[in-house]
Amino acid sequence: RKEVEQDPGPFNVPEGATVAFNCTYSNSASQSFFWYRQDCRKEPKLLMSVYSSGNEDGRFTAQLNRASQYISLLIRDSKLSDSATYLCVVNDDDAGNMLTFGGGTRLMVKP
Amino acid sequence: DAGVTQSPTHLIKTRGQHVTLRCSPISGHKSVSWYQQVLGQGPQFIFQYYEKEERGRGNFPDRFSARQFPNYSSELNVNALLLGDSALYLCASSRDNQPYEQYFGPGTRLTVT
Repeated sequence: RKEVEQDPGPFNVPEGATVAFNCTYSNSASQSFFWYRQDCRKEPKLLMSVYSSGNEDGRFTAQLNRASQYISLLIRDSKLSDSATYLCVVNDDDAGNMLTFGGGTRLMVKP
Repeated sequence: DAGVTQSPTHLIKTRGQHVTLRCSPISGHKSVSWYQQVLGQGPQFIFQYYEKEERGRGNFPDRFSARQFPNYSSELNVNALLLGDSALYLCASSRDNQPYEQYFGPGTRLTVT
């Protein structure tokens, strides 16, 4: 079983749509959670951290459910430029500060 | 400000050879991590270094080694290359007080033939 699991997609959505990605993690001791974005053949870039109370950054909303070990990312009013792979990332403090990445969910926003 | 830089950008090696990849962190960042990303998968953690000391090691064989220099730059070494080592190798740096917020370099694409 993978430590961080994501639906690989692709999610094909029209511009303006709302789309949600989910992610589950296996280590209940995980402490920090993030969403990274990776464009084709580019490096991952931090999109947002995920806090227990949930957090919002413009059109992006992240939620954490520790009881279910589940993280979500909601994108409202999708833009063509949102097309990318979204990586769910977890930090396990008992593993030397390493980040554990999910396999990524590919989003394609169409005109 | 300059971001994380890595060299070389592309590399082709044959099985059994050795490779050294280099990384310079963002100015002021003291922690460097290395990740391997195979096509179609998420990055996998290899090593993290802080102040020249190894702080974490992922599930990679001893053929993989790394070090960090006094100027916080880092090298990743891979010996006895296998075809399966073909991947994008990413370096990430982070600030002292935010060890988990990592900034990635453009990566080195290694092809082993």
